[in-house]
Amino acid sequence: DIQMTQSPSSLSASVGDRVTITCRASQSIDSYLNWYQQKPGKAPKLLIYAASTLHIGVPSRFSGSGSGTDFTLTISSLQPEDFATYFCQQSYNNFSFGGGTKVEI
Amino acid sequence: QVQLQESGPGLVKPSQTLSLTCTVSGGSISSGRYYWSWIRQPAGKGLEWIGRIYTSGSTNYNPSLRSRVTISLDTSKNHFSLKLSSVTAADTAVYYCARSPGPGMVRFFDFWGQGTLVAVSS
Repeated sequence: DIQMTQSPSSLSASVGDRVTITCRASQSIDSYLNWYQQKPGKAPKLLIYAASTLHIGVPSRFSGSGSGTDFTLTISSLQPEDFATYFCQQSYNNFSFGGGTKVEI
Repeated sequence: QVQLQESGPGLVKPSQTLSLTCTVSGGSISSGRYYWSWIRQPAGKGLEWIGRIYTSGSTNYNPSLRSRVTISLDTSKNHFSLKLSSVTAADTAVYYCARSPGPGMVRFFDFWGQGTLVAVSS
């Protein structure tokens, strides 16, 4: 099984801040890494796939980078609607998710 | 626009079988090249992929759940189903169905159902 570890598990930020979330895989997963945003009581929404490709309709303030075992999700200027929990997910071998990072005020 | 909707009992007794259905609208479940997955999330916790079925009917399961899981496809009703046997309290979670394009290594979940809470309790 491939274990996905996110850090931090939570962070406090303000509108306009630049936010970076890290995801580490227990073995190399090339670039088979996706990012999701989840708000309370809702299903996750796809933000980025293949480590750095923005999904249709996702604002350009979101970006992803990395390959191998280390990946980052960056929000360049945090907006009020971005307060949510973010998950990474690998698709190199079956699927597994990180534990999530809650972005709060 | 594809839409997915989970349905099934919200309460299951321990040792029994959890059964859920995901109805797909806005497109045929048998057209195109897609995988149809089940994913769950215990309250306040992370996401766990349960398994998936391809348009052709072939399946893949999470090794940790494989012995208890069956996923099937009903193209006449445009839905797919999950059966999880011998449930315990640890299976209490919100269960989501989701679609992923395939085949290929770049696999992501682009459409999700709203989720349904299943509690395991006597």
